[in-house]
Amino acid sequence: AQSVTQPDIHITVSEGASLELRCNYSYGATPYLFWYVQSPGQGLQLLLKYFSGDTLVQGIKGFEAEFKRSQSSFNLRKPSVHWSDAAEYFCAVGARLGGNTPLVFGKGTRLSVIA
Amino acid sequence: DTGVSQDPRHKITKRGQNVTFRCDPISEHNRLYWYRQTLGQGPEFLTYFQNEAQLEKSRLLSDRFSAERPKGSFSTLEIQRTEQGDSAMYLCASSPRQGGNEKLFFGSGTQLSVL
Repeated sequence: AQSVTQPDIHITVSEGASLELRCNYSYGATPYLFWYVQSPGQGLQLLLKYFSGDTLVQGIKGFEAEFKRSQSSFNLRKPSVHWSDAAEYFCAVGARLGGNTPLVFGKGTRLSVIA
Repeated sequence: DTGVSQDPRHKITKRGQNVTFRCDPISEHNRLYWYRQTLGQGPEFLTYFQNEAQLEKSRLLSDRFSAERPKGSFSTLEIQRTEQGDSAMYLCASSPRQGGNEKLFFGSGTQLSVL
């Protein structure tokens, strides 16, 4: 069974600073990986996803993530954080492209942005 | 396309009462998922429908929980004899026929508080 670990429960960054949120996964086959963002009281919005090919994927809102098979990681990055990026971020792993297997989510990392 | 709609947004109930939540997926999305999210946790899969057929249920879905999707459109999630441990955000998501778990669209959720 697949699993996801997000080691950082809460991260605080200054506006304009760079950001990296960590995600480690466990899965026996090729994983399909996702990052979602959740604002307070809202549902989840997909930021980006990795299925195959280029290991650096670009997403919405200026986010990117890099898949590193050797480290079982899929870290999310942003070069310059905006105050509106303050939210909860979830990494998720899916078992099969186009399949029905439900996504497995990490526990999330809460991002705070200070002036 | 109005997105995934969930009703109500908030529900406060007393322990032992029954509650029912509704989810309206994006039209023509044939797959519908229910997730539960407790404080400080990521979403956890509860159950999944393809059209009107309930194809998978998590062991988290105790016999007090029942979900239906009678005409393959909207879905309801009922919790009988609620317990304080049922307090959570209940999220619904849908995906199109072509896409599966990589094209999930989430609703804003129903926040349940059991007193």
